Amino acid sequence: QVQLVEFGGGAVQPGRSPRLSCVASGFSIRTYVMHWVRQPPGKGLEWVALISLDGSEEYYAESVKGRFSISRDNSKKMLYLQMNSLRADDTAVYYCARGKGTYCMDVWGKGTKVTVSS
Amino acid sequence: SYVLTQPPSVSVAPGQTARITCVENSVGNKNVHWYRQKPGQAPVLVVYDDSDRPSGIPERISGSKSGNTATLTISRVEAGDEADYYCQVWESLGDHVVFGGGTKLTVL
Repeated sequence: QVQLVEFGGGAVQPGRSPRLSCVASGFSIRTYVMHWVRQPPGKGLEWVALISLDGSEEYYAESVKGRFSISRDNSKKMLYLQMNSLRADDTAVYYCARGKGTYCMDVWGKGTKVTVSS
Repeated sequence: SYVLTQPPSVSVAPGQTARITCVENSVGNKNVHWYRQKPGQAPVLVVYDDSDRPSGIPERISGSKSGNTATLTISRVEAGDEADYYCQVWESLGDHVVFGGGTKLTVL
């Protein structure tokens, strides 16, 4: 069964630097671009970052550029999002998603919630 | 910056046809993708590359595009279609993904 499961969320103080993880099962991530997408409470979807097949290219939304870092370990079927200098407006459910073709996302995890609050 | 504009809400009676638009603020030569998100759930891809359907998505859900407007059409609407729908493209000039603001489909 093709599946993505995120973990590492929770309550975090502003300025802290947690790392989210996403583990894939049922497929090999090495043949897919991978994304992180977030959704603030009661709001729409916001793309965060993507990483190329081998990790050599990374792209970020302006809102997180310079603070967040996406990485992957294909041998472990893992995707990561290192989040630095967290702010209150980073509060959201964070989803990892598998990229397909012309940058759509055909498999999504159930998400992990990150709440930034002092 | 690149923007995708969707109506905040669309309402339709059961059995009728719902149309949700996604307007690009520039000439539309990008592939448009659509997602359905039910409350408390992750998004699900329902249309990709303007009009293709992933396996498992019924034929009554379809996508089209004309000029700078993409449209998601749901025929014979059912109560289970009630959800938020988002369009999405890849903006190659800025190397980033853009989502529309989302449309809440209400089945009356």
